[in-house]
Amino acid sequence: EPEVTQTPSHQVTQMGQEVILRCVPISNHLYFYWYRQILGQKVEFLVSFYNNEISEKSEIFDDQFSVERPDGSNFTLKIRSTKLEDSAMYFCASSEASYPGYTFGSGTRLTVV
Amino acid sequence: GDSVTQMEGPVTLSEEAFLTINCTYTATGYPSLFWYVQYPGEGLQLLLKATKADDKGSNKGFEATYRKETTSFHLEKGSVQVSDSAVYFCALRALHQAGTALIFGKGTTLSVSS
Repeated sequence: EPEVTQTPSHQVTQMGQEVILRCVPISNHLYFYWYRQILGQKVEFLVSFYNNEISEKSEIFDDQFSVERPDGSNFTLKIRSTKLEDSAMYFCASSEASYPGYTFGSGTRLTVV
Repeated sequence: GDSVTQMEGPVTLSEEAFLTINCTYTATGYPSLFWYVQYPGEGLQLLLKATKADDKGSNKGFEATYRKETTSFHLEKGSVQVSDSAVYFCALRALHQAGTALIFGKGTTLSVSS
């Protein structure tokens, strides 16, 4: 069964550093998403991406965040200057045009120290 | 805004016990409702869904009925197994189109012992 692949599974970074989280969505999917889950809290929507641009974003997705699809297979989330409160599990997901069709990756646990 | 409230966990059951995990929602209009499951070390997997009032979603022995009058979507299973141990998330999507955000509850941890 096709999978969404996220790398790395765990990343530790120092406060103020830039970090890039990587995702390989399912190849025929058109919509891409990032969600995050702070430990013990809700899974929260960050951003959706379609046709090489952001289609929807939440209040959490401020100027320190950016997304990119640098080639035909990868989808990345960049955090420019990490803060302690960015520590969370980050989930990538993708979907076909049809509804609902979400497939989530296993997540990247980001720890900011 | 739209929101989802789930019962607090953890829920601890013996094998073959009956399971209910409560979920209620607040939304304008007619959202679609989902249950996702996360097994240890894995991603979020869609367990079941319902897109309109009185729909019943079912999968792997789990069921949930979309109750508009009580704004609820409770998850049930008649006889749980150890392999059902996981975190269960109730979620809604307000707009029926791809690209729209899912709004999740906090998740309920289920632990089943033999």
